[in-house]
Amino acid sequence: QQPVQSPQAVILREGEDAVINCSSSKALYSVHWYRQKHGEAPIFLMILLKGGEQKGHDKISASFNEKKQQSSLYLTASQLSYSGTYFCGTEIIQAGGFKTIFGAGTRLFVKA
Amino acid sequence: DADVTQTPRNRITKTGKRIMLECSQTKGHDRMYWYRQDPGLGLRLIYYSFDVKDINKGEISDGYSVSRQAQAKFSLSLESAIPNQTALYFCATSDFDPAGGTYGYTFGSGTRLTVV
Repeated sequence: QQPVQSPQAVILREGEDAVINCSSSKALYSVHWYRQKHGEAPIFLMILLKGGEQKGHDKISASFNEKKQQSSLYLTASQLSYSGTYFCGTEIIQAGGFKTIFGAGTRLFVKA
Repeated sequence: DADVTQTPRNRITKTGKRIMLECSQTKGHDRMYWYRQDPGLGLRLIYYSFDVKDINKGEISDGYSVSRQAQAKFSLSLESAIPNQTALYFCATSDFDPAGGTYGYTFGSGTRLTVV
């Protein structure tokens, strides 16, 4: 049930772009994205609720393809501060209510 | 002050000892959670509570128990700690949308627990 994130790790130079994908085998109600610095708490970036929805702030955006049960996170003109591990949280509807399952994470390293 | 506060931040304990991890929040959220994070496995749900009288098991609840003392407080106990419970533990809260879906999590700073 755990969503699959790809790539597992990526190294970028400052200013380069990256795409992180999250794919589920289950029908999705929503997708959340988080960034976690080493040893710190995951920080909520955004939530996508509707199929085909795109969201973003600053140079980080995301899309959600409900039919394909996939979401992608786009990091544009990456900055050193973007380094960290990115997690998707996929929310499904099951008997009894909603359930969130997190991916294993994508490690992103931005170098100068 | 942080929205979600966990204590202690680090703890080393011996096998067989009982240990409690505490969590308090100022978000005003009804929903609270305990997650465990292990390298390469992501976040796994231990227990969750949607209000003071509601406690539910997550996917890895064996060996753990919880107590929801108030809307703002949710504690996790390891009754008899074992080495494979060594991990990073996060408390989290969430708001919810009109349909009942989770509207994003706010995590505490984590407790790094080592069982020797």
